[in-house]
Amino acid sequence: GAGVSQTPSNKVTEKGKYVELRCDPISGHTALYWYRQSLGQGPEFLIYFQGTGAADDSGLPNDRFFAVRPEGSVSTLKIQRTERGDSAVYLCASSLTGDRDYTYGYTFGSGTRLTVV
Amino acid sequence: LAKTTQPISMDSYEGQEVNITCSHNNIATNDYITWYQQFPSQGPRFIIQGYKTKVTNEVASLFIPADRKSSTLSLPRVSLSDTAVYYCLVGNNAGNMLTFGGGTRLMVKP
Repeated sequence: GAGVSQTPSNKVTEKGKYVELRCDPISGHTALYWYRQSLGQGPEFLIYFQGTGAADDSGLPNDRFFAVRPEGSVSTLKIQRTERGDSAVYLCASSLTGDRDYTYGYTFGSGTRLTVV
Repeated sequence: LAKTTQPISMDSYEGQEVNITCSHNNIATNDYITWYQQFPSQGPRFIIQGYKTKVTNEVASLFIPADRKSSTLSLPRVSLSDTAVYYCLVGNNAGNMLTFGGGTRLMVKP
């Protein structure tokens, strides 16, 4: 596609429920990133995929968070037993190859606003 | 990863030049300096990157002194639509992920 697409744009869920957030990167981009942004703060790194594999998941806050990218394109961020503190905007970004693309920047989606009530 | 420090907020008026300075005292030899812009309800957008001296594109200029311990993003003749948060980032290929600070909230007034 022309840009990084994230769905849904907004999600309200009850505490304790399971949610899935989807990211559709730019076609052909092998690197995919998930970030989380709380109100008034900069984005915080969660996980980075190179192809189908998670190259760096050091930013995932705990084992309730999990992400997959089974075919090396679309990625799903999964959050189990949601807590009110999980409320944030979840951003996805992609880049062509990851390793040498730092100099060209990353393309972000508009994010999914998750609200846990 | 080198830490960055930038003003929390800045105000300006339409038509003025805006300069936002970022400090990065611990920048490594192979680090680049990159600036992103973020509008409300959107993801950050890459605007400019540099290594040393000066870089200019259609959106902004980036000035980096010889010691590279700071950098200045210059936005010429800002308009109301330049109201956004501007993030300064420092890093290189090895890290792969981006480390954002709090950014500078620029408010352009009529």
